[in-house]
Amino acid sequence: KAGVTQTPRYLIKTRGQQVTLSCSPISGHRSVSWYQQTPGQGLQFLFEYFSETQRNKGNFPGRFSGRQFSNSRSEMNVSTLELGDSALYLCASSLGPPNTKNIQYFGAGTRLSVL
Amino acid sequence: AQTVTQSQPEMSVQEAETVTLSCTYDTSESNYYLFWYKQPPSRQMILVIRQEAYKQQNATENRFSVNFQKAAKSFSLKISDSQLGDTAMYFCAFISSNTDKLIFGTGTRLQVFP
Repeated sequence: KAGVTQTPRYLIKTRGQQVTLSCSPISGHRSVSWYQQTPGQGLQFLFEYFSETQRNKGNFPGRFSGRQFSNSRSEMNVSTLELGDSALYLCASSLGPPNTKNIQYFGAGTRLSVL
Repeated sequence: AQTVTQSQPEMSVQEAETVTLSCTYDTSESNYYLFWYKQPPSRQMILVIRQEAYKQQNATENRFSVNFQKAAKSFSLKISDSQLGDTAMYFCAFISSNTDKLIFGTGTRLQVFP
């Protein structure tokens, strides 16, 4: 069974631009969560989608948004990029909403660099 | 609010030796899971081991085992017979029935030397 697939692996953008990252979950998984990883802030939760609905959202500005499609694939979008948005963005999928029963499996991430 | 603390930013161990990584957490919840994830240079976050709070028996996965001290809110990872491929960042993480998201510690960078 294929794992969580994130595309692209690397992305370079300039300030003010917008970017869209993609995540394909493990087959059969209906929940997708997004995390931002930076050296200074560590791993921080962005948002989680289950059955095309955003169930949970972290403490990030409105420039960060996402969506989930009927096939459970998810995209996250960052508009008006800032230098501080440079990070590794990790996607994780689970069978159901992440909780004590549904383990999250991670993709290899998308490395975003904002110049 | 739940917090996870890893007090060892970096550790090193010689191949074939044993190393223990520390993790403490804070929660008022009773139903939760604790995890250790490994992130090698390839960046893929890999689940190493997990422990359910209700289970008194410490989890074991091959060379990896945990020492779960619920009263002390401590969850350490022991790696036996360390291998070069164990070189990675190790993250301790927490999830409860009320959080719906993983809460991570800051990580411990483990270097295994030949």
